[in-house]
Amino acid sequence: DAKTTQPNSMESNEEEPVHLPCNHSTISGTDYIHWYRQLPSQGPEYVIHGLTSNVNNRMASLAIAEDRKSSTLILHRATLRDAAVYYCMMDSNYQLIWGAGTKLIIKP
Amino acid sequence: GAVVSQHPSRVICKSGTSVKIECRSLDFQATTMFWYRQFPKQSLMLMATSNEGSKATYEQGVEKDKFLINHASLTLSTLTVTSAHPEDSSFYICSSKTESYGYTFGSGTRLTVV
Repeated sequence: DAKTTQPNSMESNEEEPVHLPCNHSTISGTDYIHWYRQLPSQGPEYVIHGLTSNVNNRMASLAIAEDRKSSTLILHRATLRDAAVYYCMMDSNYQLIWGAGTKLIIKP
Repeated sequence: GAVVSQHPSRVICKSGTSVKIECRSLDFQATTMFWYRQFPKQSLMLMATSNEGSKATYEQGVEKDKFLINHASLTLSTLTVTSAHPEDSSFYICSSKTESYGYTFGSGTRLTVV
């Protein structure tokens, strides 16, 4: 079965970089990798997505392993507002495989 | 851009009644809408996928007669929880695919059945 796995939680200090890992070893060649984050009682918010190459946007960077079986979401300088649950998701032509999410705790 | 507006944000209903949740795409056409439910501290669980003008596709174990989905236009999809019971209490979220922003999500509906 297709699976996406993430650590349950991670802690980081404010204003330091954060690397959130995700394993998606069952990924196929055309499956996209997405990252979303969710605050309590809110819908998920899009962070970034990519296929093969590393991606950067104003929120984060996405580093995709060469074999694409894992990826890392990078927050370059975490703030307290980045505290959330971060979900990794594989999009296999609208078959969406969600990870269980990583709760990111930011320490001031 | 690419905003999905979901209403209501919270609803409390009596057991046995029905509740309708609406999701509107404000600045794009949502050909496909995904409906999720989420229990506390758990990931999103896909319930069904609706395509404009056709019947929704339900995930295994989701009762289609209980969770009625209508997607009559490119900007509106609704989920009706019929004959709600306390075990239906959950956080319901809609989502649609966009051209540039991956999937965009509604703000969610907290349903409490008493």
